[in-house]
Amino acid sequence: SQQGEEDPQALSIQEGENATMNCSYKTSINNLQWYRQNSGRGLVHLILIRSNEREKHSGRLRVTLDTSKKSSSLLITASRAADTASYFCATDAAGSNYKLTFGKGTLLTVNP
Amino acid sequence: ETGVTQTPRHLVMGMTNKKSLKCEQHLGHNAMYWYKQSAKKPLELMFVYSLEERVENNSVPSRFSPECPNSSHLFLHLHTLQPEDSALYLCASSRQTLTSGLLGNEQFFGPGTRLTVL
Repeated sequence: SQQGEEDPQALSIQEGENATMNCSYKTSINNLQWYRQNSGRGLVHLILIRSNEREKHSGRLRVTLDTSKKSSSLLITASRAADTASYFCATDAAGSNYKLTFGKGTLLTVNP
Repeated sequence: ETGVTQTPRHLVMGMTNKKSLKCEQHLGHNAMYWYKQSAKKPLELMFVYSLEERVENNSVPSRFSPECPNSSHLFLHLHTLQPEDSALYLCASSRQTLTSGLLGNEQFFGPGTRLTVL
């Protein structure tokens, strides 16, 4: 089974609304990262949060990490049509120094 | 632009062809990665090179052969592929340090090569 799983699989909102995506993982981690991917393109890094951090902000993005629940959330505030993309969480796999494990992603659609 | 380029962007090949994918990073990073992204499946790590040495080979079939001649360039040589190998192939790079290790920093991705095997 995969390390990180995003929820929901798809989310459709109106411009200006907030979007929240969740990620759950199974084993202990050192870091958790969030990436964005526009259709058919490469991934773009958004935020890295370390296991000893609980919350991190970057512009309109807010990421939380709850290691006791093995979960993370990504909040995008005041969404824009340009935020339409797939969002992935990635965790370092237990026992590996080299492997990031990605979830299947949340497809976010922001309607103008 | 992320500083990671990939060529070609699109590739159509027959099952008997031999082709190569190229990746170049202009970021001064010392680690490079190949990922495979298929529809409806999570991103799959294929190979990792750290300081030009392969450190991860994630059970990838031998019809995929990576090459890392220097820290800025990464190739994926393809031969006798199968139709199920059709996917988006993504290259990434990152900076490995003594304190952060390989996974403590963000990865920068190229735009990918869309591969179709007929």
